[in-house]
Amino acid sequence: EPEVTQTPSHQVTQMGQEVILRCVPISNHLYFYWYRQILGQKVEFLVSFYNNEISEKSEIFDDQFSVERPDGSNFTLKIRSTKLEDSAMYFCASTKQTNEKLFFGSGTQLSVL
Amino acid sequence: DQQVKQNSPSLSVQEGRISILNCDYTNSMFDYFLWYKKYPAEGPTFLISISSIKDKNEDGRFTVFLNKSAKHLSLHIVPSQPGDSAVYFCAASVGDYKLSFGAGTTVTVRA
Repeated sequence: EPEVTQTPSHQVTQMGQEVILRCVPISNHLYFYWYRQILGQKVEFLVSFYNNEISEKSEIFDDQFSVERPDGSNFTLKIRSTKLEDSAMYFCASTKQTNEKLFFGSGTQLSVL
Repeated sequence: DQQVKQNSPSLSVQEGRISILNCDYTNSMFDYFLWYKKYPAEGPTFLISISSIKDKNEDGRFTVFLNKSAKHLSLHIVPSQPGDSAVYFCAASVGDYKLSFGAGTTVTVRA
């Protein structure tokens, strides 16, 4: 079965540094998402992306966050100046159309020191 | 975000018996409900879904029941197998696939 690929699996960074989390969604999918899960908490929606623009974002997704689809295959999440509270597992997801099942990647564990 | 609640953090069940996982929601606008399963160090994996126009959906050993008046859904796994041991998340959306997740229930299937 096709899968969503995320790299790296683990990322350690210093507070204030920029990080870019990378995702390769399933090739014929059109809707892309980032979710995150802080240890011991719920999986939380961050942002959805369709037709090369953000379609919805949560209050977590502030000016420090940005997403990009730089080419036909990659989908990235950038955190400009990381904070300790950004430490979490970040999941990329994609789907062909809404109201179909969402496919998740294995996640990137981000640790901000 | 307290719109989706899974009040049981854990469930232990004997192999071969039924596992019943429960989920409650508060947003009456939710029209699509899903169950995901998650193993450690992996992303959530889709299990089964149901739209608000149905009250039951079945796929092999997995059945999801939706009670809209009670704003409650449940997942039945029959029979439970050791490989079912995982964290199960209930999720709901209003059409656009912004999913609201429950906190998860850790299922342990005992041999």
